Amino acid sequence: DGGITQSPKYLFRKEGQNVTLSCEQNLNHDAMYWYRQDPGQGLRLIYYSQIVNDFQKGDIAEGYSVSREKKESFPLTVTSAQKNPTAFYLCASSLAGGLDEQFFGPGTRLTVL
Amino acid sequence: QKEVEQNSGPLSVPEGAIASLNCTYSDRGSQSFFWYRQYSGKSPELIMSIYSNGDKEDGRFTAQLNKASQYVSLLIRDSQPSDSATYLCAVPDMEYGNKLVFGAGTILRVKS
Repeated sequence: DGGITQSPKYLFRKEGQNVTLSCEQNLNHDAMYWYRQDPGQGLRLIYYSQIVNDFQKGDIAEGYSVSREKKESFPLTVTSAQKNPTAFYLCASSLAGGLDEQFFGPGTRLTVL
Repeated sequence: QKEVEQNSGPLSVPEGAIASLNCTYSDRGSQSFFWYRQYSGKSPELIMSIYSNGDKEDGRFTAQLNKASQYVSLLIRDSQPSDSATYLCAVPDMEYGNKLVFGAGTILRVKS
């Protein structure tokens, strides 16, 4: 089955810890994205990547970092610099970015203890 | 910053009725428009894409686009309780063409 997987489904972080969220896709899509969603809020773009080894900051990149070493993978690290990281994190991909439809993974719910 | 506006709702309709969801956008150059459905606690699911003025129908769903007035709507015919969800409108940011701008979503409740 083609699709986007995210792991873990739930993640708990202690204050001051860095944590990494996994996102993998087997759709052969070039573009991948990370969004954050807070309760009752819309989606806010953290980072996106059009091609391997290249990525751009979105609207709320501070406190986050990404890498794109493989076409299939786009992990997101939530660093200790992110002061309010509790949220629902969504990874998405699209064929080539731009005007293309984006498809979402199941999400990771991060909670800071 | 490009904007996509939606009425947050909740919009309540009886089972079997037509639900009408609206979205306005600020970027006149937008060329494609997407509707996503998001159930509580789940990720968004793409349900409709529309690129040209007019109507596009897919089963019980109809998307309507009016570029001159900068609005796009989603009609759900014969609404079912399983349609109860948040509906997100998304429009590409034509200045930064590689990202979508999402509205905050409209909560739809279908009462049986």
